[in-house]
Amino acid sequence: KAGVTQTPRYLIKTRGQQVTLSCSPISGHRSVSWYQQTPGQGLQFLFEYFSETQRNKGNFPGRFSGRQFSNSRSEMNVSTLELGDSALYLCASSLTGSEQFFGPGTRLTVL
Amino acid sequence: LAKTTQPISMDSYEGQEVNITCSHNNIATNDYITWYQQFPSQGPRFIIQGYKTKVTNEVASLFIPADRKSSTLSLPRVSLSDTAVYYCLVGPNTDKLIFGTGTRLQVFP
Repeated sequence: KAGVTQTPRYLIKTRGQQVTLSCSPISGHRSVSWYQQTPGQGLQFLFEYFSETQRNKGNFPGRFSGRQFSNSRSEMNVSTLELGDSALYLCASSLTGSEQFFGPGTRLTVL
Repeated sequence: LAKTTQPISMDSYEGQEVNITCSHNNIATNDYITWYQQFPSQGPRFIIQGYKTKVTNEVASLFIPADRKSSTLSLPRVSLSDTAVYYCLVGPNTDKLIFGTGTRLQVFP
């Protein structure tokens, strides 16, 4: 069974731009969660989607948004990028309430 | 969600048993204890989960005392490839994981 895939793996943007990251969960998994990892703040929960609905949300500004499609694939969007948004963005999928399987992440650099 | 406290770093040698203890004094009745492992530039990987007493799988054991205010992850006979950051998480079985700072384990030859 294929694991969680994330695209792109690396991305460079400039301040003020917006970015969209994509996540394909493990087949059959309907829950997709997003996390941000930085050296200073560690791993922080962004939000979780289940059956196309946002079910949990972390403490991030409205510039961070996401959505989930009917095939459980998910996208995360960050608008008006700031230098502090440079991070590794991780996506995880699960059968909900169980072990989460993480993807390799997208490393975003904001210049 | 219950806050966790674990050592920032630990060193070990190949072949030794490593025990990483996590404190979670305000754990709730419906909280589980879960450990994840993370290698550099990779996503975390689930290691083990438990609620009470002892849980063992092919890679680790998890010891939880009766009061559940702490837990110990035990890695038998570590190898160089076990060098990673280990996270202890406490919470209900939901898809919102709250990660702490983790324990950076360094295994030496």
